[in-house]
Amino acid sequence: DARVTQTPRDKVTEMGQEVTMRCQPILGHNTVFWYRQTMMQGLELLAYFRNRAPLDDSGMPKDRFSAEMPDATLATLKIQPSEPRDSAVYFCASSNSGRAYEQYFGPGTRLTVT
Amino acid sequence: GQNIDQPTEMTATEGAIVQINCTYQTSGFNGLFWYQQHAGEAPTFLSYNVLDGLEEKGRFSSFLSRSKGYSYLLLKELQMKDSASYLCAVRGGGGNKLTFGTGTQLKVEL
Repeated sequence: DARVTQTPRDKVTEMGQEVTMRCQPILGHNTVFWYRQTMMQGLELLAYFRNRAPLDDSGMPKDRFSAEMPDATLATLKIQPSEPRDSAVYFCASSNSGRAYEQYFGPGTRLTVT
Repeated sequence: GQNIDQPTEMTATEGAIVQINCTYQTSGFNGLFWYQQHAGEAPTFLSYNVLDGLEEKGRFSSFLSRSKGYSYLLLKELQMKDSASYLCAVRGGGGNKLTFGTGTQLKVEL
């Protein structure tokens, strides 16, 4: 049963600290997405990659957020420095470009910045 | 840009049928999606429409009218486990980028 995995599942940190979230896409999927979900804004796309190359990061605050894919099995989202307004659930999703209409979401990382 | 509207909340009775509407405005439309999200969980894919008409998948059906910028998700024989948020999402403007609506919270009652 192939699944997207994310670590950590929960993260509580203080304002100003660096936060790194990791995602392992489903093996064979070549497109990876990072989303943020809050009660106020709903689900927002932050960035996405195809074949490890960034295609769109227009939804991501550039001054503090960065997203990378060091290899095909790992995507990272980093916040430095973190702020209370970054508190949200961050989801990673992956898809196969051959069936690009179906994105599989990971369980999410619940981030709380105090 | 893209704009998606769907009702915030709906309530229905177990065993009944409910229709959740979604209207959208987008450039370069390339598909409409419905996702289900239970509280505290990740969204899961329900359906995909790119051509006009009805797509049926068990108890769930999704309809699309591209000329009207309109879709609905139809849930039949409602069960308590169908209580969840239903997210309408549109792909447009090229690529695989999805823009999600804020979701419709469906509550199924006895």
